[in-house]
Amino acid sequence: DSGVTQTPKHLITATGQRVTLRCSPRSGDLSVYWYQQSLDQGLQFLIQYYNGEERAKGNILERFSAQQFPDLHSELNLSSLELGDSALYFCASSDLAGGRETQYFGPGTRLLVL
Amino acid sequence: GNSVTQMEGPVTLSEEAFLTINCTYTATGYPSLFWYVQYPGEGLQLLLKATKADDKGSNKGFEATYRKETTSFHLEKGSVQVSDSAVYFCALYLTGTASKLTFGTGTRLQVTL
Repeated sequence: DSGVTQTPKHLITATGQRVTLRCSPRSGDLSVYWYQQSLDQGLQFLIQYYNGEERAKGNILERFSAQQFPDLHSELNLSSLELGDSALYFCASSDLAGGRETQYFGPGTRLLVL
Repeated sequence: GNSVTQMEGPVTLSEEAFLTINCTYTATGYPSLFWYVQYPGEGLQLLLKATKADDKGSNKGFEATYRKETTSFHLEKGSVQVSDSAVYFCALYLTGTASKLTFGTGTRLQVTL
């Protein structure tokens, strides 16, 4: 158990819909990262937040957005969903903003868009 | 840009066989290198890491040595078990870039009795 929790575990929705994925980092960790894992793209970094502020952006679509709240949990919002958004979405946390720290991953949310 | 290349899987071995999963990287600078493991139905877990050249990371019988001259970080284990069956990801992290881990495509390992 990494100490990172993600909800829900599974999500099934339809194209065009909007969903919110939630992540609680390990106690004391200030950084939260979101990754997407799909069969064709592999594991891709989406976005990072540090202590409530956006720190870095990766291959995140404009239809996707995230935020980190004062209690440090984070939400990833996916809107106007397409079939190709079906993937496993991971959240990770670490205690530093950057550098060589270890990232601890949650169990993931499996999203299926029908 | 930065990238990680892993050997194609799946790798199928008998229990107690020797394991090598190759990983090479391309990076502008001196990255930290990681191996993560993903067991079926679970998230990624850090297996081991090395932060500078010639460092050896080790955990649970797995080892990998950071080789700057060959830009490699090959994962090895002397005697695999059925419980080692999983997908293994090599990754790099470079300070000053977008704070992200860059992952390889993953190598599936299947260990049979």
